[in-house]
Amino acid sequence: EIVLTQSPGTLSLSPGERATLSCRASQSVNNNYLAWYQQKPGQAPRLLIFDASTRATGVPDRFSGSGSGTDFTLTISRLEPEDFAVYYCQQYGTSRTFGQGTKVEIK
Amino acid sequence: EVQLVESGGGLIQPGGSLRLSCAVSGFFVSDSYMSWVRQAPGKGLEWVAILYRGGRTFSADSVEGRFTVSRDISKNTVHLQMDRLRADDTAVYYCARTEGGPFDLWGQGTLVTVSS
Repeated sequence: EIVLTQSPGTLSLSPGERATLSCRASQSVNNNYLAWYQQKPGQAPRLLIFDASTRATGVPDRFSGSGSGTDFTLTISRLEPEDFAVYYCQQYGTSRTFGQGTKVEIK
Repeated sequence: EVQLVESGGGLIQPGGSLRLSCAVSGFFVSDSYMSWVRQAPGKGLEWVAILYRGGRTFSADSVEGRFTVSRDISKNTVHLQMDRLRADDTAVYYCARTEGGPFDLWGQGTLVTVSS
């Protein structure tokens, strides 16, 4: 099983700042089949990025994904108030596994 | 409207069984890959099982042999049969569509509580 480790666990930032979230895999993710999701309290997750760097439909361009192999990054260029949430990475190259999440909170 | 609506959750004793349903509208379950994902209270997401377009199914090791995913094409519905339930199966269970890749469409979830 591919284990995904996200860091940091919590990121405390102010609106307008840049957020950089990391997702590291225990082994290479086939075809860079990695996705990022946003989840707000009481809501289902929402797909943001797939195939490591492709934005899902309707996702603002302040969200971007990068990386390959075992190291992946989600960047939010300028945080908006609605971006404070928990973010999960997920690989679908070998079965499916999720990271443990990074909480982006208001500083 | 494209939508997934889960139902069937509730309180169940350890060792019991429960069947969750996911009613699909806006597309056909027979044309899609469908999964179940769960989230224990205050915890992260865990993939549970997948039903491929052709009917094959796979489950996570944590539920293998206890949970079974199936579909009713006539009702455009996906089910998760959960047997021999344990306390650590307590979670919100989400139905999600995956076209062989990421989970692009999610239901609102249904809560399963396993407790005596």
